[in-house]
Amino acid sequence: GAVVSQHPSWVICKSGTSVKIECRSLDFQATTMFWYRQFPKQSLMLMATSNEGSKATYEQGVEKDKFLINHASLTLSTLTVTSAHPEDSSFYICSARRPTENSNQPQHFGDGTRLSIL
Amino acid sequence: GQQLNQSPQSMFIQEGEDVSMNCTSSSIFNTWLWYKQDPGEGPVLLIALYKAGELTSNGRLTAQFGITRKDSFLNISASIPSDVGIYFCAGHKGGGAQKLVFGQGTRLTINP
Repeated sequence: GAVVSQHPSWVICKSGTSVKIECRSLDFQATTMFWYRQFPKQSLMLMATSNEGSKATYEQGVEKDKFLINHASLTLSTLTVTSAHPEDSSFYICSARRPTENSNQPQHFGDGTRLSIL
Repeated sequence: GQQLNQSPQSMFIQEGEDVSMNCTSSSIFNTWLWYKQDPGEGPVLLIALYKAGELTSNGRLTAQFGITRKDSFLNISASIPSDVGIYFCAGHKGGGAQKLVFGQGTRLTINP
């Protein structure tokens, strides 16, 4: 069954609106979660690494003031797209990794959020 | 950002045929992962590879971690309609960052 839950699955809103997307680890605590963006017919591109209790680490070219990440608990990370514009329309996907002594545990992905800005 | 070189980009096959796809990199990875993504959904883990030379199967799927640690392949035997989707390889270099690097994906289409 699913180990990472993402909500909402689909959002349509007007330009200028801020949109919050939630990512939850369902049966484990995740000190680190990851946020990806995927444009049609393209691969996943990492946007940022969400760290519980500290600031997120953003990839080069990703505006941290535009994409606000909060990882306030060990099972929840949120991504807020602030003042969204049509070019922000994309498929946003989060992932989390089960914490074990083996640092190579694979990431498990949520089902993604389709964001459409009108 | 860095991406893995995945090929082919797309495949059109007949049901029952075998499928092979691969990923290469110019640098070494400590973990290779293969995911499948259906339309409108997130990627689902198929196989994880942790050691150079490792050959791992998951039902009709077989994947290998290249001995040089710079490549991996995924084979699907006797394809069925539900195998349709996009397959991604992903690599992990280890260490604290835990970041994954993805291939461009292989879109598999099956003619019944």
